Amino acid sequence: DSGVTQTPKHLITATGQRVTLRCSPRSGDLSVYWYQQSLDQGLQFLIQYYNGEERAKGNILERFSAQQFPDLHSELNLSSLELGDSALYFCASSGAGSYNEQFFGPGTRLTVL
Amino acid sequence: GIQVEQSPPDLILQEGANSTLRCNFSDSVNNLQWFHQNPWGQLINLFYIPSGTKQNGRLSATTVATERYSLLYISSSQTTDSGVYFCAVVGMDSNYQLIWGAGTKLIIKP
Repeated sequence: DSGVTQTPKHLITATGQRVTLRCSPRSGDLSVYWYQQSLDQGLQFLIQYYNGEERAKGNILERFSAQQFPDLHSELNLSSLELGDSALYFCASSGAGSYNEQFFGPGTRLTVL
Repeated sequence: GIQVEQSPPDLILQEGANSTLRCNFSDSVNNLQWFHQNPWGQLINLFYIPSGTKQNGRLSATTVATERYSLLYISSSQTTDSGVYFCAVVGMDSNYQLIWGAGTKLIIKP
């Protein structure tokens, strides 16, 4: 158990819908990262938050957004869902240093029908 | 940006065998991690090893940063070692994000 929690574990929805994925980092970790794992693209970085502020952005679509709340949990919002958004979405957290080890949650498996 | 290549892409071994997985990266790194993704999709941290050598039970890893490669050694393989092994790095200009290799799919047969 990494100490990073993600909910829900599975999500099945229809095209055009909106969903919210939730992540709680390890106790004391200030950084939260979101990654997407799809069959055709592999694992890709989406976005990072540090202590409530956006720190880095990767290949995140405009239909996707994220935020980190004062209690440090984070949410990833996916809207106008398409079939191609079906993937495993991971949240990771790390400590205060810039290049600390990242620890991953169990992931949320999103299926868009 | 930085490129990460893993080899071999697939590996099938009998239980008890030893294996070496390789990760090459194209530029200097601030962070290098090895992960095991089990058949249920969980990503399990194996090593945080931007340089040097570490050991954890039957697993060990070595990163030679000056030559831009890392090796993961698995000894006396067990069926529970099956899964995909990923190498991921944070490059000098990667904005803290992990850049991932394509993985090595390992199957251990009983």
